[in-house]
Amino acid sequence: GAVVSQHPSWVICKSGTSVKIECRSLDFQATTMFWYRQFPKQSLMLMATSNEGSKATYEQGVEKDKFLINHASLTLSTLTVTSAHPEDSSFYICSASPPGTSNSYNEQFFGPGTRLTVL
Amino acid sequence: AQKITQTQPGMFVQEKEAVTLDCTYDTSDPSYGLFWYKQPSSGEMIFLIYQGSYDQQNATEGRYSLNFQKARKSANLVISASQLGDSAMYFCAMREGVGSGNTGKLIFGQGTTLQVKP
Repeated sequence: GAVVSQHPSWVICKSGTSVKIECRSLDFQATTMFWYRQFPKQSLMLMATSNEGSKATYEQGVEKDKFLINHASLTLSTLTVTSAHPEDSSFYICSASPPGTSNSYNEQFFGPGTRLTVL
Repeated sequence: AQKITQTQPGMFVQEKEAVTLDCTYDTSDPSYGLFWYKQPSSGEMIFLIYQGSYDQQNATEGRYSLNFQKARKSANLVISASQLGDSAMYFCAMREGVGSGNTGKLIFGQGTTLQVKP
């Protein structure tokens, strides 16, 4: 199957700093990528849909100014957690679908996730 | 609005036995896909099986099968011959068809933690 990578796999930062997480589709181009957030023992919550060349679409309740998403190319989307605080500590996962899969009959491929700890 | 419900927070199964993980869904879109993912403690999301809303037969993938009951809006996962390595969190997810304004995003259920006993 298609491969999606994330970098870094884990990061520890001080409160107030910004952290950038990269999501790359390694062997396919992705016009759309998705960012999820997962707290321990809980489900994945969709944060936003990242669209190449245009603004991201955020889910209700997600702060656009805090979670900046940039989808500058067909293989890279970045999530920047600005002015991170301890409550932002979580597991962040991205996913993408290969092009031409604009229907429900296609798998999304997930990155391995990034574990963010804010001290 | 679409919704996915997994009512079993945790399940135990004896090694080599079969287990069923429940999933119900709700959507007004006639075109949708249902997925099951496995998430071990490492955090990676492992795709297990897929069922399309128009598929006539239940999906099967090795030891995994999906009991799709469209009228009841349920998509239960059946794992046969459980193995110790099956211990993980399992998520049911739904993706509505793109074309009617939907983005194709996945909506996940709450998850079920499965523990396989030796």
